[in-house]
Amino acid sequence: GEDVEQSLFLSVREGDSSVINCTYTDSSSTYLYWYKQEPGAGLQLLTYIFSNMDMKQDQRLTVLLNKKDKHLSLRIADTQTGDSAIYFCAETLIGNNRLAFGKGNQVVVIP
Amino acid sequence: EPEVTQTPSHQVTQMGQEVILRCVPISNHLYFYWYRQILGQKVEFLVSFYNNEISEKSEIFDDQFSVERPDGSNFTLKIRSTKLEDSAMYFCASRVPDRVYEQYFGPGTRLTVT
Repeated sequence: GEDVEQSLFLSVREGDSSVINCTYTDSSSTYLYWYKQEPGAGLQLLTYIFSNMDMKQDQRLTVLLNKKDKHLSLRIADTQTGDSAIYFCAETLIGNNRLAFGKGNQVVVIP
Repeated sequence: EPEVTQTPSHQVTQMGQEVILRCVPISNHLYFYWYRQILGQKVEFLVSFYNNEISEKSEIFDDQFSVERPDGSNFTLKIRSTKLEDSAMYFCASRVPDRVYEQYFGPGTRLTVT
């Protein structure tokens, strides 16, 4: 079954890059996602990557997928105070409706 | 930009009481979901709903839970007899049929069972 693990807390200075990591256990995962949750808000889909890709770049966001190690990372370039949030990685299988989430990483951006 | 809305934002109830959590999915979406997050734990899938029936449910979604789409806009989660361990943030999500990778989430309802 799906099991997604994340470390919990990251502090980063404004303007620096931040990297959030995630490991997953289900090798048949098809889509892997990064969601952002700001205080009092819902889960906002930031980006996703299909499992046959190694990398996806979307403006300041770079997603790297290492299928061999089942490792997913999100790099945020030029981190800004508005990036302070909890970031969740998630996975889903083909034909499976459900998302399986990690516990989330809290990112705090220091001005 | 259209968004999923949920009401109430916070619900406090006594153990054993019934609660109904409400969601209004995005208007052209046809798949609907409930997830929950117990404080400090992972976001967990509860149930998915399509074409007026449950398409998938997790082991958490037992007989105490039910979902309904009572009209063309609302999607509800009912907990018949709440337990202390039902205290959590409950998220509703929705998507269009051909974009399985884009579930849009509401802001959540914080349920506190005392």
